[in-house]
Amino acid sequence: ILNVEQSPQSLHVQEGDSTNFTCSFPSSNFYALHWYRWETAKSPEALFVMTLNGDEKKKGRISATLNTKEGYSYLYIKGSQPEDSATYLCALPGSARQLTFGSGTQLTVLP
Amino acid sequence: DAGVIQSPRHEVTEMGQEVTLRCKPISGHDYLFWYRQTMMRGLELLIYFNNNVPIDDSGMPEDRFSAKMPNASFSTLKIQPSEPRDSAVYFCASSFDNLGTDTQYFGPGTRLTVL
Repeated sequence: ILNVEQSPQSLHVQEGDSTNFTCSFPSSNFYALHWYRWETAKSPEALFVMTLNGDEKKKGRISATLNTKEGYSYLYIKGSQPEDSATYLCALPGSARQLTFGSGTQLTVLP
Repeated sequence: DAGVIQSPRHEVTEMGQEVTLRCKPISGHDYLFWYRQTMMRGLELLIYFNNNVPIDDSGMPEDRFSAKMPNASFSTLKIQPSEPRDSAVYFCASSFDNLGTDTQYFGPGTRLTVL
């Protein structure tokens, strides 16, 4: 079973603050890492798929980095807005390629 | 495309009753996944299909759970008999392929409450 850990579990920031959180995973046999954004009462929505060590992805104010050698990925949000409030999930494929999801970081942006 | 469609969106039933959840994947996607979301276990994979054939059902909690995919545009997840501990949000997702880099597209989920 793939061990995917996310921290912190929850986070409250003020509107305009920048923030980041972590996804940790076993560095051996890395294949890919997915970031999803999950708003309350909606379905998880894909943000990024990352495959290469040192990879950086960006979508608007959200960006992600990947370090496969040490087994972590950071998700950054610059200038947080209330609409960024959501749970951010990371997921990795196991040996049979099914995704194993972390427990998520629940972000609340206070106006 | 309308995306992954699930029905019903909410289901409240009594213990012992049969529950059937439905999913229509995105047209052209060969893979369909059923997940369950709970506070305790997070988002966990129950079963997935490739071209309508079940590939891995090791996540199905017990024999009370069954899933079928009679054709490329329809799948069901059935719980019989249902128990209060089955209360959760059940998501269906589909993807074009399953190479590990393929994005899975999730439906809106079915919130199941078993009284």
